[in-house]
Amino acid sequence: EAGVAQSPRYKIIEKRQSVAFWCNPISGHATLYWYQQILGQGPKLLIQFQNNGVVDDSQLPKDRFSAERLKGVDSTLKIQPAKLEDSAVYLCASSSTAEAFFGQGTRLTVV
Amino acid sequence: LAKTTQPISMDSYEGQEVNITCSHNNIATNDYITWYQQFPSQGPRFIIQGYKTKVTNEVASLFIPADRKSSTLSLPRVSLSDTAVYYCLVGDRLRGAGSYQLTFGKGTKLSVIP
Repeated sequence: EAGVAQSPRYKIIEKRQSVAFWCNPISGHATLYWYQQILGQGPKLLIQFQNNGVVDDSQLPKDRFSAERLKGVDSTLKIQPAKLEDSAVYLCASSSTAEAFFGQGTRLTVV
Repeated sequence: LAKTTQPISMDSYEGQEVNITCSHNNIATNDYITWYQQFPSQGPRFIIQGYKTKVTNEVASLFIPADRKSSTLSLPRVSLSDTAVYYCLVGDRLRGAGSYQLTFGKGTKLSVIP
């Protein structure tokens, strides 16, 4: 069974630029999560989808972050404009049961 | 308000049993308790989930007392490869879905010593 795919693996941008991350969840998984993990901290939930509907986006900085899940499958997370404090690993996960499967993440560095 | 409280770090020698306790005093009736493991530069990996009493799988056991205000993850005979961060999560099952709310805290960094 293929795992959760994320791209790119690494990204370096200058502050005020925009960036997008892509996630392809495990086939058949209705729930998709995006997390931000800053070095030394636990993952922080940004947004959670159930199919193509948003279940929880209470911690998503909506003035600069946006996410969509087209047709309830792939998802894209965008940051525009980026700030230095957005430097982190962005993790995507999907699940259909108690067990959520995580991708390798995208490491974003904002300079 | 933090939903869970865990020790920041623990050390253990190889071959020993390790017990990591998590406090969740405000756990709701519908909440489940789930543990994840995370290695450096990797995403978290599911270990075990329970609601009450004891759950055991091929890698760990989870002990939950009757009041459910705490839980203990037990790792038998740890090896160097068990060095990782362990997260305790409490969350409700999503309505109409098989998945759960997953809110991570700070986790416990376990270091296994030779």
